[in-house]
Amino acid sequence: GAVVSQHPSWVICKSGTSVKIECRSLDFQATTMFWYRQFPKQSLMLMATSNEGSKATYEQGVEKDKFLINHASLTLSTLTVTSAHPEDSSFYICSAPPGLNTGELFFGEGSRLTVL
Amino acid sequence: GDSVTQMEGPVTLSEEAFLTINCTYTATGYPSLFWYVQYPGEGLQLLLKATKADDKGSNKGFEATYRKETTSFHLEKGSVQVSDSAVYFCALSRGGNNRKLIWGLGTSLAVNP
Repeated sequence: GAVVSQHPSWVICKSGTSVKIECRSLDFQATTMFWYRQFPKQSLMLMATSNEGSKATYEQGVEKDKFLINHASLTLSTLTVTSAHPEDSSFYICSAPPGLNTGELFFGEGSRLTVL
Repeated sequence: GDSVTQMEGPVTLSEEAFLTINCTYTATGYPSLFWYVQYPGEGLQLLLKATKADDKGSNKGFEATYRKETTSFHLEKGSVQVSDSAVYFCALSRGGNNRKLIWGLGTSLAVNP
């Protein structure tokens, strides 16, 4: 079946540095990818929708200058957490739909970010 | 607004026990309903879905019926296995829109041999 891969699976960085997380669709093309954030004991929160060839669409309350999203190709989207601070520590998950408006999504394994 | 409420975990069962994980939702209209599962070390994956009232989704021995009258989509399995240990998420989608998936908090299930 369709596979979405995220990298890195975990990363530790110092406060003030930037971290890039990659999300790849391995056997299908994805014009759209979704980025989520998950806090402990909380549900997935949609951060933004990544659109191939155009700007990402951010959800209300998500700082677009803080969380830079680039969808450079039909198989790769990246999320860069800029000038990371401890409050940015979280579990970041990407997903991609195999088709439009089906509700079904394929998810990456998630990336655990810890900012010291 | 739309919301999904799942029973809190963790749920711990012995192998071959009956499983129910409750899920209720609040939404206008007729959303599609989903159960996703996340096995240890893996990404979320779709377990089953139902797109209209009275539909029953089923997969891998799991079932869930879309109950409009009780706004519920409870997940059931008659005999769980150790390999079913995972976190289960209930979600709804309005109009089949991928972007607007609304998630429950997830329920962790541990099955002991």
